Amino acid sequence: AQSVTQPDIHITVSEGASLELRCNYSYGATPYLFWYVQSPGQGLQLLLKYFSGDTLVQGIKGFEAEFKRSQSSFNLRKPSVHWSDAAEYFCAVGGYNKLIFGAGTRLAVHP
Amino acid sequence: SQTIHQWPATLVQPVGSPLSLECTVEGTSNPNLYWYRQAAGRGLQLLFYSVGIGQISSEVPQNLSASRPQDRQFILSSKKLLLSDSGFYLCAWSTGANYGYTFGSGTRLTVV
Repeated sequence: AQSVTQPDIHITVSEGASLELRCNYSYGATPYLFWYVQSPGQGLQLLLKYFSGDTLVQGIKGFEAEFKRSQSSFNLRKPSVHWSDAAEYFCAVGGYNKLIFGAGTRLAVHP
Repeated sequence: SQTIHQWPATLVQPVGSPLSLECTVEGTSNPNLYWYRQAAGRGLQLLFYSVGIGQISSEVPQNLSASRPQDRQFILSSKKLLLSDSGFYLCAWSTGANYGYTFGSGTRLTVV
């Protein structure tokens, strides 16, 4: 069965530090992978997506993610975190008629 | 361009009262439509999705129902709300799940 695991429920980083949010998926075919961000009280916004081709994808707000088939991973990275990046981040994999979401990682940013 | 509208933004309802949340999409035809719920501190729970008018798939049996009376309209309803129905409700649309979703801004429902 398709599933997405985000091992880290909460992560705290200092402003200016680098960030990596982990995502592992289970999917029988070539996956379509997504990262979304949710600010408090808001809907989800698409950060980036992977369909095929280059395994390093660039997204909005300076984020990037790398697809590693051998590790079934799609980790999200940012070289220098800003205070405005504090939010909840969701990884998702495309399934039949619907996306399968991970449980989310809440990011806190210290000044 | 495509837009998705969801209302109301916030709602406080007494236990036992009915519920109707509406979601409409503009700028596209025959979208897939979805209702999700987030309870406090929890992830996204898929409640219903629809691939066409009158076609509703229920993911979790509960006190809610969904309808799609028009191509770009998706309604979430309840006849009698429970305290456990409180949460943040999100509508989303897609042209196919493999292309990702676009989410509405959500409705915060508090049942008192």
